[in-house]
Amino acid sequence: NAGVTQTPKFQVLKTGQSMTLQCAQDMNHNSMYWYRQDPGMGLRLIYYSASEGTTDKGEVPNGYNVSRLNKREFSLRLESAAPSQTSVYFCASSDQDRVYTIYFGEGSWLTVV
Amino acid sequence: TQLLEQSPQFLSIQEGENLTVYCNSSSVFSSLQWYRQEPGEGPVLLVTVVTGGEVKKLKRLTFQFGDARKDSSLHITAAQPGDTGLYLCAGARPTGFQKLVFGTGTRLLVSP
Repeated sequence: NAGVTQTPKFQVLKTGQSMTLQCAQDMNHNSMYWYRQDPGMGLRLIYYSASEGTTDKGEVPNGYNVSRLNKREFSLRLESAAPSQTSVYFCASSDQDRVYTIYFGEGSWLTVV
Repeated sequence: TQLLEQSPQFLSIQEGENLTVYCNSSSVFSSLQWYRQEPGEGPVLLVTVVTGGEVKKLKRLTFQFGDARKDSSLHITAAQPGDTGLYLCAGARPTGFQKLVFGTGTRLLVSP
C-alpha cells in the first residue's frame, strides 16, 4: 500500500549543484503536485500537473523545473541550488473530482549549504 | 500572498482540555479541508467540508464550514496527547483547476 513515494528522503547540496527529486504514485491519479514547506509559511505549491502531458507553475516556481514522465511519475529538478531552496519538499497526487482529496508523500528534506 | 490565516499559531494545553483552531480568509472556497501532520511525515487528510454551514464530526473532532464558505473551525473535545501535531487547513478555489491553498498551520501540543 505505497501511495505516494518520493526519493531521496534527505539530501545535502552545495550551492550551485543540481539534483532531481523523484515521485511516483500507484493510485492511478491524474493530477500530481510539488509543494515546499517552510516554518510559518504552510505549504506552497511549486508546480503541478493536472494530467499526464501537462505541467503548470504554482505559487513559487522560480528555480525549479518539473517533468511529468508518465501518469505515475512527476519529478522536480533544481538546476542550480540556492540556500533559499533549503526546505522540506512534498509530492502529492489527487484524482480531480468535486470532493477534492489529495494524498501526500512523506517528504524530502533538502539542505543547500 | 497567504489567503488562509490560521489561529492560533501555537497551542500548548493539558490532556482533557478543549480547544478550537480557526481558519479565516476573505476568499470563497468550493471546499475546505483539514489535515494533520506529524513530524517526519506528510499531511494526512482529516475531513473535507463542501457546503456552507456544514458541520462534520470525527470522534472528538468537530469541523465547521462558515456559511459564506470563507472560514472554518476545528474544535477538539477532551484533547489527548495523541492529538499532538500540526493542523493545516486548505481551501479549493471555486473555479478552474482545483489547486489547494494551505493555511499557515497550528502547532498543537497536548501534555499528559
